[in-house]
Amino acid sequence: EPEVTQTPSHQVTQMGQEVILRCVPISNHLYFYWYRQILGQKVEFLVSFYNNEISEKSEIFDDQFSVERPDGSNFTLKIRSTKLEDSAMYFCASSEEGEQYFGPGTRLTVT
Amino acid sequence: EDQVTQSPEALRLQEGESSSLNCSYTVSGLRGLFWYRQDPGKGPEFLFTLYSAGEEKEKERLKATLTKKESFLHITAPKPEDSATYLCAVRFSGGYNKLIFGAGTRLAVHP
Repeated sequence: EPEVTQTPSHQVTQMGQEVILRCVPISNHLYFYWYRQILGQKVEFLVSFYNNEISEKSEIFDDQFSVERPDGSNFTLKIRSTKLEDSAMYFCASSEEGEQYFGPGTRLTVT
Repeated sequence: EDQVTQSPEALRLQEGESSSLNCSYTVSGLRGLFWYRQDPGKGPEFLFTLYSAGEEKEKERLKATLTKKESFLHITAPKPEDSATYLCAVRFSGGYNKLIFGAGTRLAVHP
């Protein structure tokens, strides 16, 4: 069964450093998303991506964040100058028109 | 403000003891209500999509229903392996494809 994959599973970084989180969406899906979940809190939408451009972004997704689809299979989230409050689980998801399928997540720890 | 509220926050059941989880929503123009299961440290796993009031979906011991203001996830004769957090999410007009999640119900089923 096709699934969304994410790497790395756990990333530890120092405050102020840049990180890139990687995702491989399900191959025939056209819509891609990033969500995050701070420990003990709700899953929060960050950004959606379609046809090689951002289709919607939340207030959280400020200039610190960027997304890219560098080739036909990968989808990345870059966080510049990380802050302590960026520590969270980051989930990639993909969809056709309906339900979104989530990856296993990357746990980002900013120290 | 668009809201998704789940109740109860936590539920403890004995194996075989049926119950229901609630998800109420106050979004304008519902374009789908989604149920997910989330195990600790993992990504949300898709269960059901409901689009219109009166719709029902079933899978093994789970049955999801939808009204104009809320959805129920009924769990019949649960087993310990059904223990997880169950998340409700909605997609709405004006929200493009983003999902707004509830805080979830933590279900523990004891033998």
